[in-house]
Amino acid sequence: EAGVTQFPSHSVIEKGQTVTLRCDPISGHDNLYWYRRVMGKEIKFLLHFVKESKQDESGMPNNRFLAERTGGTYSTLKVQPAELEDSGVYFCASSQLSASYGYTFGSGTRLTVV
Amino acid sequence: SQQGEEDPQALSIQEGENATMNCSYKTSINNLQWYRQNSGRGLVHLILIRSNEREKHSGRLRVTLDTSKKSSSLLITASRAADTASYFCATDGGATNKLIFGTGTLLAVQP
Repeated sequence: EAGVTQFPSHSVIEKGQTVTLRCDPISGHDNLYWYRRVMGKEIKFLLHFVKESKQDESGMPNNRFLAERTGGTYSTLKVQPAELEDSGVYFCASSQLSASYGYTFGSGTRLTVV
Repeated sequence: SQQGEEDPQALSIQEGENATMNCSYKTSINNLQWYRQNSGRGLVHLILIRSNEREKHSGRLRVTLDTSKKSSSLLITASRAADTASYFCATDGGATNKLIFGTGTLLAVQP
């Protein structure tokens, strides 16, 4: 089966611009998660979708971040406007069951804001 | 903050040696998982140990869990250069909808 796919793999944008990251989960996985690792620090939870609904968005840093999951399939994470501190690696993961059974992560999108 | 912590933060060993990384966490858990991140790549799930287990093996990996001390260790035996990566522990914090990651250990295996 295909894994979790993220694109772009790298993105370099200027401060103030908008960037949209995309994640395609494993087919049939209702749970989709976004995480990020900023400046080599710990990996932090951003939000969790169950199908098209946001189950938990407690980790979203501020209102510059908007996540959607159209039709319960792929998800997008938009950053608008981007700031320097948004630089980091954004990971998407999906699972069929709960987090207690382990996730499958995508390869991540490395975002650099200059 | 409920992040766990790994130690050491960085570890450099020679090929063939064993590598041990430790993880501490703060909340009750249902399970603890270890992940690896190779430079510039995604996170790879290595092993999951449930709260009622004390030790688990998978190939060259050995994980222990001590819930009384809220700690876990990951042992990689007979390390290889390809094991060079960052290793993270992650817990579910007793909940089931998200993982709480530790700060990671950067392992460098010298050929």
